[in-house]
Amino acid sequence: KNEVEQSPQNLTAQEGEFITINCSYSVGISALHWLQQHPGGGIVSLFMLSSGKKKHGRLIATINIQEKHSSLHITASHPRDSAVYICAVRILPYTDKLIFGTGTRLQVFP
Amino acid sequence: NAGVTQTPKFRILKIGQSMTLQCTQDMNHNYMYWYRQDPGMGLKLIYYSVGAGITDKGEVPNGYNVSRSTTEDFPLRLELAAPSQTSVYFCASSYYRVIHEQFFGPGTRLTVL
Repeated sequence: KNEVEQSPQNLTAQEGEFITINCSYSVGISALHWLQQHPGGGIVSLFMLSSGKKKHGRLIATINIQEKHSSLHITASHPRDSAVYICAVRILPYTDKLIFGTGTRLQVFP
Repeated sequence: NAGVTQTPKFRILKIGQSMTLQCTQDMNHNYMYWYRQDPGMGLKLIYYSVGAGITDKGEVPNGYNVSRSTTEDFPLRLELAAPSQTSVYFCASSYYRVIHEQFFGPGTRLTVL
């Protein structure tokens, strides 16, 4: 069993819909990252969370440390949000390494 | 700033050949990482470095070597390429530990035939 599990694996939506992508992990962590991989392959960091909630534009990330779960929400989705969204965790004890989920592929249609 | 740059973008190798994947960052980051991404799998850490002259193994180091002679450069060497090394390779850097944002290069798509 992977230490980091994402759901769903694939997601399609109509433009304007509210999107939720989930990440569950089975180990103690010090931080969780959300990343976006564009169709061309480039990867950018969206959020780093250790507790609570963060918002950037139409993106919201939350984490519940007790339940070992994080969600990434996209409000008013747009076709340009189509990408693979990747969750990664930094496990305890403190390490310099990230463990990655396999990603959620999102397609938003006009 | 160019950020993290990688060369080449694509490469086809024959079994047993060797090559070096280049990675350079111009952000004065201490930490640099090499990952591989296989279809349907999460990114796996190959090697990482916490500063010039210091490197350490990640999850999947076999068949690879690295060096870090400068802050800017972190090349990845493949010796005796094997089909199992067919993958997309990403270099990344961060200012300090992974509590800081990681900046990724554009990737190198390597095929070993």
